[in-house]
Amino acid sequence: KNEVEQSPQNLTAQEGEFITINCSYSVGISALHWLQQHPGGGIVSLFMLSSGKKKHGRLIATINIQEKHSSLHITASHPRDSAVYICAVSSFGNEKLTFGTGTRLTIIP
Amino acid sequence: DAGVIQSPRHEVTEMGQEVTLRCKPISGHNSLFWYRQTMMRGLELLIYFNNNVPIDDSGMPEDRFSAKMPNASFSTLKIQPSEPRDSAVYFCASRQGSTNTGELFFGEGSRLTVL
Repeated sequence: KNEVEQSPQNLTAQEGEFITINCSYSVGISALHWLQQHPGGGIVSLFMLSSGKKKHGRLIATINIQEKHSSLHITASHPRDSAVYICAVSSFGNEKLTFGTGTRLTIIP
Repeated sequence: DAGVIQSPRHEVTEMGQEVTLRCKPISGHNSLFWYRQTMMRGLELLIYFNNNVPIDDSGMPEDRFSAKMPNASFSTLKIQPSEPRDSAVYFCASRQGSTNTGELFFGEGSRLTVL
């Protein structure tokens, strides 16, 4: 069983819809990362957070340390948001990231 | 800064050949990571360096893989001899600081195909 679980695995939505991607983890962490990967493209770090909430443009990431859960929200989704979104966690004293399997998001115009 | 620079972007080679992938981290970053991404296994950490010193290479699949970081601005990942199952996208990433609380910056990746 992966220590980092993402849901859903695949998500298709209409342009403009509010999107939520979830990430649950089973170990104590020092930080959680949300990454974005476009088809055939590189990986971009969207957020790194250890508590509370962060916002960048139309993207919002939240984390609940007690519940070991994080969500990535996209408001007013756009076709260019179509990508794979990956959750990853790091533990205290350990540089390794444990990755989720990713959520493939497709936004239809 | 130009970001993390990897080369080559694409490489096609035959089984048994030596493959060398290169990475230039962001200037000032002192942690460097090599990851491999496949459809079956997703992203896996192969090895990481702090201040040019290999810290954890437990993710390196086998002795055919080796990585070096001769200075703060350059790292290589070598596969010799290469096998078809090594076909994957190899990402290099760098981070400032030696703790795991800094943001990671990834290169564009090197797509390796071993025939």
